[in-house]
Amino acid sequence: EAGVTQSPRYAVLQEGQAVSFWCDPISGHDTLYWYQQPRDQGPQLLVYFRDEAVIDNSQLPSDRFSAVRPKGTNSTLKIQSAKQGDTATYLCASSWTGNTLYFGEGSRLIVV
Amino acid sequence: GDSVTQTEGPVTLSEGTSLTVNCSYETKQYPTLFWYVQYPGEGPQLLFKVPKANEKGSNRGFEATYNKEATSFHLQKASVQESDSAVYYCALSDRGSNNRIFFGDGTQLVVKP
Repeated sequence: EAGVTQSPRYAVLQEGQAVSFWCDPISGHDTLYWYQQPRDQGPQLLVYFRDEAVIDNSQLPSDRFSAVRPKGTNSTLKIQSAKQGDTATYLCASSWTGNTLYFGEGSRLIVV
Repeated sequence: GDSVTQTEGPVTLSEGTSLTVNCSYETKQYPTLFWYVQYPGEGPQLLFKVPKANEKGSNRGFEATYNKEATSFHLQKASVQESDSAVYYCALSDRGSNNRIFFGDGTQLVVKP
């Protein structure tokens, strides 16, 4: 069974540029999560979906971050006008209506 | 709100010695507790979870007991190996927060041969 797939694995941006991260969850998993993991810190939830609906986006910096999951399968996290403080690894995870998360390898973002 | 506090790392041990990583949590609900492990360049992966108070979880020689009275979930292993070197995260989820999972800041374990 394929795991959670993320792309790109790495991105280096100048401040002010935009980037999109893509996630393909485990087939059949209805819940998809995006976490931000700054260096040497634990994952911090940004947003999560059940099917195509947003369940919780309270931690998403809405002015520059957006996330969609239009068909309840793949998802895209977009950062507009990136700042140095956005430097982190962005992790996607999926689960089946339960609470065991399966994570992808992450997309590492560096903003200079 | 919910939170998790764990031993600050790095923790450096020699092969064959015992490990304890402390984890304390705060929540108003009855959570499920987890230990995740993360190797360099990978996402966290579940080590084990315990949904009920006073029960023990275990995997690969690691174990932890869900202590509701002390609000603790300490990770232990009797004899660590070099291959156990990784970052360990204590985490919780509860129904009161839509089953969101809250992670601690992680404890880096370095095992020397």
